[in-house]
Amino acid sequence: KAGVTQTPRYLIKTRGQQVTLSCSPISGHRSVSWYQQTPGQGLQFLFEYFSETQRNKGNFPGRFSGRQFSNSRSEMNVSTLELGDSALYLCASSPTGRLNYSPLHFGNGTRLTVT
Amino acid sequence: KQEVTQIPAALSVPEGENLVLNCSFTDSAIYNLQWFRQDPGKGLTSLLLIQSSQREQTSGRLNASLDKSSGRSTLYIAASQPGDSATYLCAAPNTGNQFYFGTGTSLTVIP
Repeated sequence: KAGVTQTPRYLIKTRGQQVTLSCSPISGHRSVSWYQQTPGQGLQFLFEYFSETQRNKGNFPGRFSGRQFSNSRSEMNVSTLELGDSALYLCASSPTGRLNYSPLHFGNGTRLTVT
Repeated sequence: KQEVTQIPAALSVPEGENLVLNCSFTDSAIYNLQWFRQDPGKGLTSLLLIQSSQREQTSGRLNASLDKSSGRSTLYIAASQPGDSATYLCAAPNTGNQFYFGTGTSLTVIP
């Protein structure tokens, strides 16, 4: 069974640009979560989607948005990029909608560098 | 808000040694606690998940325990190997399907 796939693996963007990251969950998984990982803040929750609905959102500005498609694939978008957005963005999928009881399966992430 | 702390931040041990990694959390009303491993530049790999009704879980040389009353979990690694070198993170979810992560313990096993 294929794991969680994130594309692209690396991105270099300029301040003010926007970027779209993609995540394909494990087949059959309907919940997709996004996390930002930086050396200073560690792993921080961005948002979680289940059946195309955003169920929970972390404490990030509105420049960060996402969506989930009917096949459970998800995208996140960051507009008006800032230097501080440089990070490893990780996507995780889970087999059920109840993350309280289900393990998370992570992709290898997209490394975003903003110059 | 759940706060998760991991001590120590870094650990270096000789090959073959048994070791314990610690994880503390402030809100004891957790549903489960999950341990992950992260290799440099990679995503997280799930190692063990302990449900709130359990006290421990084992997988091979790994054993994780959970004590909700004291807000602690430990990950025990037996007979460490150089391949165990990685960063280990613990995480606990809230009712809103959000996981709170610790800052991790960077483990180096010296051959």
